[in-house]
Order: sequence, then structure tokens, then C-alpha cells
Amino acid sequence: EPEVTQTPSHQVTQMGQEVILRCVPISNHLYFYWYRQILGQKVEFLVSFYNNEISEKSEIFDDQFSVERPDGSNFTLKIRSTKLEDSAMYFCASRLSDISYEQYFGPGTRLTVT
Amino acid sequence: DQQVKQNSPSLSVQEGRISILNCDYTNSMFDYFLWYKKYPAEGPTFLISISSIKDKNEDGRFTVFLNKSAKHLSLHIVPSQPGDSAVYFCAASFSSGTYKYIFGTGTRLKVLA
Repeated sequence: EPEVTQTPSHQVTQMGQEVILRCVPISNHLYFYWYRQILGQKVEFLVSFYNNEISEKSEIFDDQFSVERPDGSNFTLKIRSTKLEDSAMYFCASRLSDISYEQYFGPGTRLTVT
Repeated sequence: DQQVKQNSPSLSVQEGRISILNCDYTNSMFDYFLWYKKYPAEGPTFLISISSIKDKNEDGRFTVFLNKSAKHLSLHIVPSQPGDSAVYFCAASFSSGTYKYIFGTGTRLKVLA
């Protein structure tokens, strides 16, 4: 069964460093999302991406964040200068089409900023 | 932002009995609701969904009920099995725009053998 994959599973970085979290969505899906879950809190929407552009972003998704689909298969989230409060589990999700509500989530990347 | 709430952080149920997980929402513009299950170290897995034009949707052991006037939905699992032990999230979405999810805080279900 097709699945969303994410790498790495755990990333440790120092404050101020740039990180890139990678996702490979399900191959025929058209809509892509990033969510994050800070430990003990709810899963929060960060950004949605369709047709090679951001379709919506949350207040969390400030200028330090960017997303890209560089090669038609990968979908990346970049944090330019990480802060301690960026420590969280980051989930990528994909959705098939505009008549399908279900999003399929990857296993997540645990980002630890020290 | 408390648009979707799950007021019970945890629930324990005997194997074979019914599990009822509850979710409340405040935004009457939500028109699609979903339940996801999450095991440790895994991403959320889709379980069942319901459109706001329905009040019930059933899939095997899982049934979701929607009460729009009360802005409340519930997930019933019957019979509960030990493998159902996980964190359950409800999510709400809009049928227009980006279909982003607004998640609840989750309920940890433990099914006791």
C-alpha cells in the first residue's frame, strides 16, 4: 500500500542552524501539507501546498519557514534559523484530489533544537 | 485557538466493551469531520469520517455520530480490542479552500485485556 515517507526520523540541531525536513508524498497525490506537534500539545497546521505554490499558511509559518517541491517527488520543509521552540514532531501529509478529504500522514520527523 | 476540543485526555475500557470517544467544536462552518488513530512513533492514520450532511457513518466496528446542533461528534468502537489502544484525534475541515485540518488534543484509549 502506498505511504508517505519522511526523513530523517530524528534530527538534532543547534539553535540558529538551518534544517531541511524531507517528505515523499504518495505519488499520485496533488495536495501536500506540513503539520507539527509540540510535545504534549495538539497537532497544528503549518502550511498547504498545491500546484507548486503555497495555498495557505498558518501564523506559525513565518519567514523562517519555507517549503519546496524540488523534483516532483520530494516535498521539503526548511527552517532557516532554528529556535528552541521549533522542537516538535513534524508531520507531512498528502491528499489525492480536490474531491477527497482524507489526508495520509507520514511517520513524522522529531526535531530537537538544543 | 480552541475550535476543536477533546475533553477526555484518557479512557480505559475492558476488551469486548464499547469505547466512546467525544469531540466538541465551536466553528459551525466546519463541514467535514474525521477521526485519526495514532500509535507511538507513527503518524496519524485515517480511521473514519463524516460529512456534515449526515449524522452517522459506520465502518465495521467503528461508528461516528454527528450532532450539529450540539456541535458534537463521537466515535464508537464496538467491540473494543487491545489493538485499539492508541491516541485518537478528531479533526475538522472545511469543504472549500485548502481542506486543512483543525485537530483536537487527542484521547488516549487503553483497552484492557
